[in-house]
Amino acid sequence: SQQGEEDPQALSIQEGENATMNCSYKTSINNLQWYRQNSGRGLVHLILIRSNEREKHSGRLRVTLDTSKKSSSLLITASRAADTASYFCATDGNRDDKIIFGKGTRLHILP
Amino acid sequence: SQTIHQWPATLVQPVGSPLSLECTVEGTSNPNLYWYRQAAGRGLQLLFYSVGIGQISSEVPQNLSASRPQDRQFILSSKKLLLSDSGFYLCALYQGYGYTFGSGTRLTVV
Repeated sequence: SQQGEEDPQALSIQEGENATMNCSYKTSINNLQWYRQNSGRGLVHLILIRSNEREKHSGRLRVTLDTSKKSSSLLITASRAADTASYFCATDGNRDDKIIFGKGTRLHILP
Repeated sequence: SQTIHQWPATLVQPVGSPLSLECTVEGTSNPNLYWYRQAAGRGLQLLFYSVGIGQISSEVPQNLSASRPQDRQFILSSKKLLLSDSGFYLCALYQGYGYTFGSGTRLTVV
């Protein structure tokens, strides 16, 4: 099984600023995914980056992957109040059918 | 498109009572299905996963059990709930490009 570990645990920024969250993992992966969870809700899949990709964009989201450092970052540009949520990374190493999530980064956008 | 239905949304149960949470899937066949638990302010803990009918793998020893009686049905059960079973339970399916999660069940054991 794989494990992602997000950093920081909590982040508060002003609306309009960019938010950066990091994820580290331990073993080789096939892909890495980022999810968002609004309070009391299920997780929503945001973006998947494959091990042979270094950067991927989706709207205001930018994900990078550095397999040599076993790390990924999620950048949210021009943050909005609606971005307030917890963000999780998860890795898929395809060695088994289990994917393990980290504890997440709690992002709070201040008005 | 794949959808995943999970119910109930909230549940308050006394200690020692049984539990049955159901998860059903639409729009896909032979999915890998998962039960996660999330304690307040914590990450997700994988409880069970299933790659097919009748195939259950348990991740954490506990008084919970899971069953997969049909391809698109995944059930989480307990014969006697403990206070420590309180949490947010999420069902999910995975098909290679990421998880689709249900909306979750908030279980409070009193």
